[in-house]
Amino acid sequence: ELKVEQNPLFLSMQEGKNYTIYCNYSTTSDRLYWYRQDPGKSLESLFVLLSNGAVKQEGRLMASLDTKARLSTLHITAAVHDLSATYFCAVDNSTLGRLYFGRGTQLTVWP
Amino acid sequence: NAGVMQNPRHLVRRRGQEARLRCSPMKGHSHVYWYRQLPEEGLKFMVYLQKENIIDESGMPKERFSAEFPKEGPSILRIQQVVRGDSAAYFCASSLDTAKPQHFGDGTRLSIL
Repeated sequence: ELKVEQNPLFLSMQEGKNYTIYCNYSTTSDRLYWYRQDPGKSLESLFVLLSNGAVKQEGRLMASLDTKARLSTLHITAAVHDLSATYFCAVDNSTLGRLYFGRGTQLTVWP
Repeated sequence: NAGVMQNPRHLVRRRGQEARLRCSPMKGHSHVYWYRQLPEEGLKFMVYLQKENIIDESGMPKERFSAEFPKEGPSILRIQQVVRGDSAAYFCASSLDTAKPQHFGDGTRLSIL
């Protein structure tokens, strides 16, 4: 079964700092997703990465994909408090579409 | 265009009762996925359905759990004779097809007393 590992699981960072969240997956996959989840809420889609070398940026978040290394990163630039949430990566099996999720990275940004 | 609608948002049941969770996919979406999220865990796939058909139920426990997606009406996830371990958030997602992104509902938080 496809396995997805994220690290770190918990991240506490000061406003203004930079940091990277890592997502490794065990077998070839066609697409990688990054989601954000606020407490008690649903999942908000942030990025969909489709091909090797793909890089997408939205505001202070930038995601990249290296399919050869089976690695995606979510880079946070100059963090602000509003980014506090849990971030999940997920990969899919396009044959059936089911998503395999990592355990999530709980990000807390403090002043 | 309304998103994926799940109800109820919160459901409390006593051990041994039945829980019914409903999911109406986005308009035009015929693919529905159910996932379960335990506290501080990622989402785990349970079942994938298309209209009137279960396509993949490999993530669903063999006993007490069932799912359907009838020709008319929402998809239903049913849990019979609930136990404490069934307490979780259950999310439904829908898509146009398996190659398209899934859109998630707000989830049903199930608590078992």
